[in-house]
Amino acid sequence: DAKTTQPTSMDCAEGRAANLPCNHSTISGNEYVYWYRQIHSQGPQYIIHGLKNNETNEMASLIITEDRKSSTLILPHATLRDTAVYYCIAHPDSSYKLIFGSGTRLLVRP
Amino acid sequence: DVKVTQSSRYLVKRTGEKVFLECVQDMDHENMFWYRQDPGLGLRLIYFSYDVKMKEKGDIPEGYSVSREKKERFSLILESASTNQTSMYLCASSPDPSRFYEQYFGPGTRLTVT
Repeated sequence: DAKTTQPTSMDCAEGRAANLPCNHSTISGNEYVYWYRQIHSQGPQYIIHGLKNNETNEMASLIITEDRKSSTLILPHATLRDTAVYYCIAHPDSSYKLIFGSGTRLLVRP
Repeated sequence: DVKVTQSSRYLVKRTGEKVFLECVQDMDHENMFWYRQDPGLGLRLIYFSYDVKMKEKGDIPEGYSVSREKKERFSLILESASTNQTSMYLCASSPDPSRFYEQYFGPGTRLTVT
């Protein structure tokens, strides 16, 4: 699995966009980028994934650079309930095992 | 919405007891997983199951066993609980083998072994 690097913590104001970066410079061609988050005292929650195209769903958007060495998760209108640890993972879709790094602790301020 | 439920949020057991942790999913998912999560160690896979009565060891299966008699239910068994098994236990499910990345987690069981 490619190593991912994320900032330890970030904050943003409620209602503003939260842009969470992830560096995965050693990603290989068959590795997808996945994002999960974990709200305090809850299980992790799948957010979104992508290979090379940008992706959007009801929760977030994922922007992957053309060289695939980095990506950004965008929460378009952050709410207080988005305060959580966000994990960026890069590994093949055939791998059944999720490996979470340290993640980014996002604090959404009122 | 996918729902994964776990039998208890908090559990306290004594050393040597046999412990059963139950997990149920309601979305007819093929795959189910048991992880434990510890500070500084992240998420570690204990076992997973890709079909009824089928199971595979994860990274840390020692001291644990599992049972999957029905598709919707995956049980984790601690044969003889020890203090180093004090942890947060998380169950997850995913739709099919082509979508392992898309795992849906339960709320977790915080187990304390004294």
